[in-house]
Amino acid sequence: DADVTQTPRNRITKTGKRIMLECSQTKGHDRMYWYRQDPGLGLRLIYYSFDVKDINKGEISDGYSVSRQAQAKFSLSLESAIPNQTALYFCATSGRGGTDTQYFGPGTRLTVL
Amino acid sequence: AQTVTQSQPEMSVQEAETVTLSCTYDTSESDYYLFWYKQPPSRQMILVIRQEAYKQQNATENRFSVNFQKAAKSFSLKISDSQLGDAAMYFCAYRSFVSGTYKYIFGTGTRLKVLA
Repeated sequence: DADVTQTPRNRITKTGKRIMLECSQTKGHDRMYWYRQDPGLGLRLIYYSFDVKDINKGEISDGYSVSRQAQAKFSLSLESAIPNQTALYFCATSGRGGTDTQYFGPGTRLTVL
Repeated sequence: AQTVTQSQPEMSVQEAETVTLSCTYDTSESDYYLFWYKQPPSRQMILVIRQEAYKQQNATENRFSVNFQKAAKSFSLKISDSQLGDAAMYFCAYRSFVSGTYKYIFGTGTRLKVLA
């Protein structure tokens, strides 16, 4: 079984809809992250959480919110989706301290029409 | 602000040959980490190699090695004996956590093609 899972893997939605992307991990890591990947722009950090009670904005948090329901679960929400939020979204985890190597989920391809 | 630049959008290498992917970064911090990640067509991001900035010795992982030049802020990846399975997008990444500010910044990627 995969250590970091994301649901759904693909999603098509309409402008204005609320969308939630979910991430679960079995690696026992404290730290979790959400990124988006756009062609030609690499990955950009949306939000990160170092433990259940610690949530921080990343580089591009506007239009997004997150919830850390448990150590193993970290959800990303788009309250009112817009077309320029069409992207590939990745969840990642890392252990406490150290080199902070990140382990990624398989990604969710989101299309906002 | 920290930046990561990969100036080669695409590279090609013959199978069994060696190829070097370039990465430069800009930072005023002294404590940071650098990474190379691989993204094959399956889109899964996979760690290839990492380097601690305080270590002068270049990291190696089997056929993968880096040339870390801290003063020049350069972090290139060398792939030896290239294999067809090495074909992927490669991303350079920078990580720091200074004064409560966490940063994990990716470059725009280099697409590597391996020719049989």
